[in-house]
Amino acid sequence: NAGVTQTPKFRVLKTGQSMTLLCAQDMNHEYMYWYRQDPGMGLRLIHYSVGEGTTAKGEVPDGYNVSRLKKQNFLLGLESAAPSQTSVYFCASSSGSEQETQYFGPGTRLLVL
Amino acid sequence: GQNIDQPTEMTATEGAIVQINCTYQTSGFNGLFWYQQHAGEAPTFLSYNVLDGLEEKGRFSSFLSRSKGYSYLLLKELQMKDSASYLCAGMDSNYQLIWGAGTKLIIKP
Repeated sequence: NAGVTQTPKFRVLKTGQSMTLLCAQDMNHEYMYWYRQDPGMGLRLIHYSVGEGTTAKGEVPDGYNVSRLKKQNFLLGLESAAPSQTSVYFCASSSGSEQETQYFGPGTRLLVL
Repeated sequence: GQNIDQPTEMTATEGAIVQINCTYQTSGFNGLFWYQQHAGEAPTFLSYNVLDGLEEKGRFSSFLSRSKGYSYLLLKELQMKDSASYLCAGMDSNYQLIWGAGTKLIIKP
């Protein structure tokens, strides 16, 4: 039981390049989330999904897109990376109950030059 | 607006007790979470309070006062491994978590 996994662990991009971050969970959770964490700031929600085939915008969605084609996977895409997207990205999942604990992946460190 | 306030950094001594405070302002309220995050790692769940009062879980306890918009995390018998950031998060009426910036706890021998 791996919990929540994320790939890659670390990536360096040049401005304007694109990439996809992959999140996978094996806990059969309905809800999945993408956050970014920046120094001196709390975790900020980018996008989330309440089930397979659904996605919704969070607090800071601009510049990102997501897809949830399979229940266990949640993909975060950057179409044209910008230095402001340098951050640590965390994926999380929780069960179908809205007040349930969120379980986090190990994070992806992204540096955009 | 929505806001979570907690101290940026605290220092305590091994074996002692420390209390980390959190004040929150959310649109609606569906509970208050505390997470622990070691440097370079993912946040991990510590506690959840939705009713007023103290919840005790081993060396860690969490308190909530909804009328005051206030919570604290109490850590007893501090160990070196407790050195970490402690994140306070309030759940709003849309069941979204609003996160504080975290309190970095430094434990000294």
